[in-house]
This record gives sequence, structure tokens and C-alpha cells, in this order.
Amino acid sequence: DAGITQSPRHKVTETGTPVTLRCHQTENHRYMYWYRQDPGHGLRLIHYSYGVKDTDKGEVSDGYSVSRSKTEDFLLTLESATSSQTSVYFCAISERQDTGYGYTFGSGTRLTVV
Amino acid sequence: DQQVKQNSPSLSVQEGRISILNCDYTNSMFDYFLWYKKYPAEGPTFLISISSIKDKNEDGRFTVFLNKSAKHLSLHIVPSQPGDSAVYFCAASGRNDYKLSFGAGTTVTVRA
Repeated sequence: DAGITQSPRHKVTETGTPVTLRCHQTENHRYMYWYRQDPGHGLRLIHYSYGVKDTDKGEVSDGYSVSRSKTEDFLLTLESATSSQTSVYFCAISERQDTGYGYTFGSGTRLTVV
Repeated sequence: DQQVKQNSPSLSVQEGRISILNCDYTNSMFDYFLWYKKYPAEGPTFLISISSIKDKNEDGRFTVFLNKSAKHLSLHIVPSQPGDSAVYFCAASGRNDYKLSFGAGTTVTVRA
């Protein structure tokens, strides 16, 4: 979607190296999320943010950290990449706390850890 | 433990026929239920939703049914079209919970 951009779109990295994925939005939405998609597991929440400098852990947060210093940017860092972190990562944004209105997702980052 | 389950990983249907996708959930505090559609190399896109005060919501060819007592919802696509071939994710959240829990997805293939 035009209002949310993920970078890079593809990345190959070596085990043990740090990696940062970026999510940038132009919608001024308060809520931002990082999910990973894996076969058989669907989408699992890694971390989320409910405002600048306000973040919390999701269900699969081990090995990941996040930062949100500006409304528009939400960074996901793999502190020391492992092969189990090979996945497709999606960022999502939401204007309202009421998730009945759903999220808008980015196009994803395909990360391969070798 | 996965709170939203889609037990059918795939579904094949002939063009023009009905597609029925099923989803079960375990958390009785869930209030909102949503379906997302995902094409390869793209992010999921919102398709249709339903709140717990309703048992049916319709939007064009797409209808979602909710059975709270059974903790079950389904998505009906009628008639199915080739462009409906995609992965469909069921998702749910509680009223004051700004996080969505997703199922594993069902891959739908519409045959000509």
C-alpha cells in the first residue's frame, strides 16, 4: 500500500550478524506492528508499538528488538541473526486501538539467514 | 498456543462454485473477527470483518458467519472467481486489545 513502505524487500545475511528492517508510514497512524509469516504458523506478532517510544512484546519476541523514535518509523532489529529467523516479515499500521477495523500491511521483507 | 486455528491448509474449487473457509478460536474474549487475503509477494489485505454482536456480515460475494457458541466462523465466497486464488487468513482480537491473532491460513485455488 502507498502509505506504508518496508525496506529492504529482500535480504540475505550470515548467521550471527545484526540486521535491521525498516517500516515507514505516511499515514500518521499511532499503532505499528511487526509480524513474521512462516508456513504452518500464519502470521505471528513479534513486537508492536502504541506510540513514539512505546513498544511491547508479542508472542515471538525472543531475539528481536524494536525502536520507534518517530511516528513514521518502526525499526525491527535481529540482534544476532539465526537460521530460525529466516522468514517473511510484515509491518502493519492501524489508526485505531479498535482492531475491528483491521490493519494495513506493508509488502513484506524476505529475510534469509545463511 | 495458537488461539486461532484454520485446520484446512488448502482448498480447491471450480470457478463459479462456492468456496467455504473455516476458522476456529479458543479465546472467549475475542470480540472482532476478520478475514485477510494475501497474494504471493504482497502483504495481506483486509477483506471482511464481523463483531461478536452479529452472526452474519455480507459484502458482495463475501459473507462471514459467526457461531459464538461453537467458537467458529466461516467465510463464504460465491461465486468463486480465478482472482480469488490466494491465501486467506482468519484473525481475531478482544475489544480493548490492539493486537490481532492470526490463523495459519488456507490456500484457495479456483480452477477454470
